[in-house]
Amino acid sequence: GAGVSQSPSNKVTEKGKDVELRCDPISGHTALYWYRQSLGQGLEFLIYFQGNSAPDKSGLPSDRFSAERTGGSVSTLTIQRTQQEDSAVYLCASSAPWGTSGGADTQYFGPGTRLTVL
Amino acid sequence: AQSVTQPDIHITVSEGASLELRCNYSYGATPYLFWYVQSPGQGLQLLLKYFSGDTLVQGIKGFEAEFKRSQSSFNLRKPSVHWSDAAEYFCAVGAQDGNEKLTFGTGTRLTIIP
Repeated sequence: GAGVSQSPSNKVTEKGKDVELRCDPISGHTALYWYRQSLGQGLEFLIYFQGNSAPDKSGLPSDRFSAERTGGSVSTLTIQRTQQEDSAVYLCASSAPWGTSGGADTQYFGPGTRLTVL
Repeated sequence: AQSVTQPDIHITVSEGASLELRCNYSYGATPYLFWYVQSPGQGLQLLLKYFSGDTLVQGIKGFEAEFKRSQSSFNLRKPSVHWSDAAEYFCAVGAQDGNEKLTFGTGTRLTIIP
């Protein structure tokens, strides 16, 4: 009964470098979300995967951000050519299929990855 | 588009005192509403949620919240706070269209004094 896990827990990188953040959702959860938590912007939605459907990428702030989900499980968020404003905590969440509990199911959050861009 | 307002950035209460954290939402229909708590260095933990039915919902750690459609509010309450309740609290709204992305408020930081 492991929860959502994320790696690394901390990442320090230099401006201009690419980074990859990983999320392992709860087993059996078909929905996976990425959010970003930063001092100036609070908690922002980035991207949402639901089963085999096309992801909702409406929250990605620029084309430097992308995410994929392989085999309906693990997800990787990639930030290319990092900028200092990308510094934030990146949170991943997963939930059971929509309608499992009669409506939107609870999102369970991982501990986050703290990204620092120097 | 939905939005959430938490008007109080920081609240300080004495241990044992009652607590109310305010949350107002904007959404065109009946929303899904959530309260999450985040302790320092920790992820978000769900306190309670409202989907439908009884407008007073009970959560973990002795918290409750009341959905008031006429006021577009979903305030969080606790009758007697404990020092361990010191944390940041986030209200969130979700749409009832099958896309479950959440829109969060900016959070309220709760400090407990002895």
